Parts: sequence; C-alpha cells; structure tokens
Amino acid sequence: NAGVTQTPKFQVLKTGQSMTLQCAQDMNHNSMYWYRQDPGMGLRLIYYSASEGTTDKGEVPNGYNVSRLNKREFSLRLESAAPSQTSVYFCASSDLAGPTDTQYFGPGTRLTVL
Amino acid sequence: AQTVTQSQPEMSVQEAETVTLSCTYDTSESDYYLFWYKQPPSRQMILVIRQEAYKQQNATENRFSVNFQKAAKSFSLKISDSQLGDAAMYFCAYRRVYSGGGADGLTFGKGTHLIIQP
Repeated sequence: NAGVTQTPKFQVLKTGQSMTLQCAQDMNHNSMYWYRQDPGMGLRLIYYSASEGTTDKGEVPNGYNVSRLNKREFSLRLESAAPSQTSVYFCASSDLAGPTDTQYFGPGTRLTVL
Repeated sequence: AQTVTQSQPEMSVQEAETVTLSCTYDTSESDYYLFWYKQPPSRQMILVIRQEAYKQQNATENRFSVNFQKAAKSFSLKISDSQLGDAAMYFCAYRRVYSGGGADGLTFGKGTHLIIQP
C-alpha cells in the first residue's frame, strides 16, 4: 500500500516548456487534489476532482490544466511554464464517504522554472 | 472566502517541555473540519490531529491536543513532552463540510516553524 505517489520528484524546466506532473493513489479514494507550496506560504489549492470525471478550479488555477484519468490517477499539466510556477507541488486524496474525510498527501514534486 | 491565520512564524521550546501553537480562522460556515499538519524537512505532509466543528470535546492524539474555541474561531495545538522529532513546520488547515456530497480543498495557514532545543 503505497498511499499517494507523485512523479517526478524533481524537475527543472526552461520558460515556455511544458510538462505533466503525475499523481496516483491506491486507497480507492474518490477525491483528489493538487496544491502548490511557495516559500513562507502554506499550501494553496490549484485544482481538485471530487470524483472520477469531474474537475474544479481551486484558488490558483491560472496556467494549469488537470486530467482525472481514472479513479486512481490525477495529472497536472503546465502548458507553457513560467518562473512564477517555480514551487513544490503536492497531490492529495481523500474519501468523503469514509469515516475520517482526511486528505493524505504525496511526497511532493520540486519544480524549478528558469 | 475562508482564511486561516498563524501569527507565530517561529516558536522554540526546550525538549520535554510543553508548547502551544496558535491558529485563528475566519468563516461564515457552521460546520467544518480543522486540522494540524506537520511538515518535517523531508517535505512530507503528515496529519497530526483533526477536529470536527460540531464536536465540543477537544481532540487528543497522544502528546498532541487541541484547544478548540468555536465562538472565538480559535484552534491551538498543544504539544506535551516535546521531542526532537517534533521539530518541523506546523500548518493549521480548514475545510468546510458539504452536506450534499462534493468536495473542497483545504485552506492552510502560513505555518509555524517549531524548533526543539535539546
């Protein structure tokens, strides 16, 4: 039982390049989330998916797109990376129907955009 | 929009002593969840404790307990018998409750860096 996994762990991009961050969970959770963490800040919600087939914007969605590929996987795409997107990205999942309704986080991806 | 405020950027405590981290929040909702997450240098976000707003009893998890004051919108974390392994960033977080299903993300404070002095 790996919980929430994210790939890659580190990535360096040049301005204008694109990339996709991958996230998968093996806890059979319905809901998945993408957050970013900047220095001196808490995590801020980018996008979330309440259930398979649905996605919604969070607090800071500009410059990102997401895909809920199936119940297990939720990817985050940067179409044209900008230095302002340098951050640590966290994926999380939760089961709203479960007894705890707690979000479990992946280990994070550190992204640097030059 | 909900906001979460952690007014202590950094706290320091002697090993084996007790420390309290402060958190206040602003919301117009009556039903919600509050959380404390720990983030050690490894970056992993680890759930420390969780409180449902409808519960009057304060949550406790071993050495960790909260003081939840709903009217004051205050949610502090007390760590007893501090250990070196408690050194980390601590984030307070809020999430509202959906009555008809659905989901929403967490709203985080900016964090408190806890230092444990040996």
